Amino acid sequence: NAGVTQTPKFRVLKTGQSMTLLCAQDMNHEYMYWYRQDPGMGLRLIHYSVGEGTTAKGEVPDGYNVSRLKKQNFLLGLESAAPSQTSVYFCASSYHQTPTDTQYFGPGTRLTVL
Amino acid sequence: GNSVTQMEGPVTLSEEAFLTINCTYTATGYPSLFWYVQYPGEGLQLLLKATKADDKGSNKGFEATYRKETTSFHLEKGSVQVSDSAVYFCALRVNTGFQKLVFGTGTRLLVSP
Repeated sequence: NAGVTQTPKFRVLKTGQSMTLLCAQDMNHEYMYWYRQDPGMGLRLIHYSVGEGTTAKGEVPDGYNVSRLKKQNFLLGLESAAPSQTSVYFCASSYHQTPTDTQYFGPGTRLTVL
Repeated sequence: GNSVTQMEGPVTLSEEAFLTINCTYTATGYPSLFWYVQYPGEGLQLLLKATKADDKGSNKGFEATYRKETTSFHLEKGSVQVSDSAVYFCALRVNTGFQKLVFGTGTRLLVSP
């Protein structure tokens, strides 16, 4: 049971390049989330998914797209990277969406955009 | 809106010292409250949680009590260890609509031997 895994762990992009971050979970969770973590700002929700084939916008969705073609995978795409997207990206998943439900986080992807 | 305010760090302590990390919140309705911990190079892990007023969450020697009257959820530990060095995030989840987790900015704890 690997929990939540993220690929890659590190990446450096040039402005305008594109990339996809992969998140995978093996806990059969319905809900999946993408966050970004910036110094002094805590974690902010980018996009989330409430089930296979569904996605929705979070707090800071601009410049990102997501897809959830399979229940266990949640992909985050940057079509044209900008320096403002330099951040640490975390994926999370949860089984339910109750007030007490626990979100399980992946180890993060550190992205630098030059 | 909903928000969480944490004390700024870093908090620097010697081993076996008493720890308090302050957390206050603003929320509509009655949120659930959480403390997450992030060890170096890792993702966030749930440390403890409380779902209603006066509930006390506890885990690994850490405790926090949901205080509705002061809108606070301060994290405490009686005797910290070097292995407790990490970043601690206070968070809330409201019970209306999509139940998004709202995080504080995090407090770094450094424990020296």
